[in-house]
Amino acid sequence: DAGVIQSPRHEVTEMGQEVTLRCKPISGHNSLFWYRQTMMRGLELLIYFNNNVPIDDSGMPEDRFSAKMPNASFSTLKIQPSEPRDSAVYFCASSGDSSQETQYFGPGTRLLVL
Amino acid sequence: AQSVSQHNHHVILSEAASLELGCNYSYGGTVNLFWYVQYPGQHLQLLLKYFSGDPLVKGIKGFEAEFIKSKFSFNLRKPSVQWSDTAEYFCAVNNMFSGGYNKLIFGAGTRLAVHP
Repeated sequence: DAGVIQSPRHEVTEMGQEVTLRCKPISGHNSLFWYRQTMMRGLELLIYFNNNVPIDDSGMPEDRFSAKMPNASFSTLKIQPSEPRDSAVYFCASSGDSSQETQYFGPGTRLLVL
Repeated sequence: AQSVSQHNHHVILSEAASLELGCNYSYGGTVNLFWYVQYPGQHLQLLLKYFSGDPLVKGIKGFEAEFIKSKFSFNLRKPSVQWSDTAEYFCAVNNMFSGGYNKLIFGAGTRLAVHP
């Protein structure tokens, strides 16, 4: 398996622009997670899905952030409008259903908002 | 709410020194425990995990961790570190009731720097 795939790997944009991050989970995994990592705040869980349904979005910073999972093989995280404080590395991870399943992380998208 | 504490934020060691990174969690019930490693510029990768059975768990690259239920701890150890172990290490916990499914609670991470 190719593992969790994320695109783009790097994104540089200007404040106010819309940013869309993409994730393809490992085939067969039912759970998908979006994390944000910064030096100041460490690793934060933004939202997670199970069977394409958002289960917990309490970590989403504000209304500028939205996430969708239209099918089992694709998810997006959108920031509109983007702000410089959104600059971070965004990781997607996927796993099976059980609490004893390992979460597998994607390579991340490094976002810089100027 | 559950929490995971990693008391050492930065650790600096020389090659061949022994390593122990602390991890404590707050939940008192049955837990599943994980250690992840993030090498510079890379994503998180699983080092080892504990679900049940022998509380001493062996992982990849010579790492091991010991689950001590009475101390709510899951410390990571390696007898002799190498320069290539320079990375950030994350402890994580979940349980059957952590919001369901497989939601992990991560610690803040410990940055390890190994000098040749």
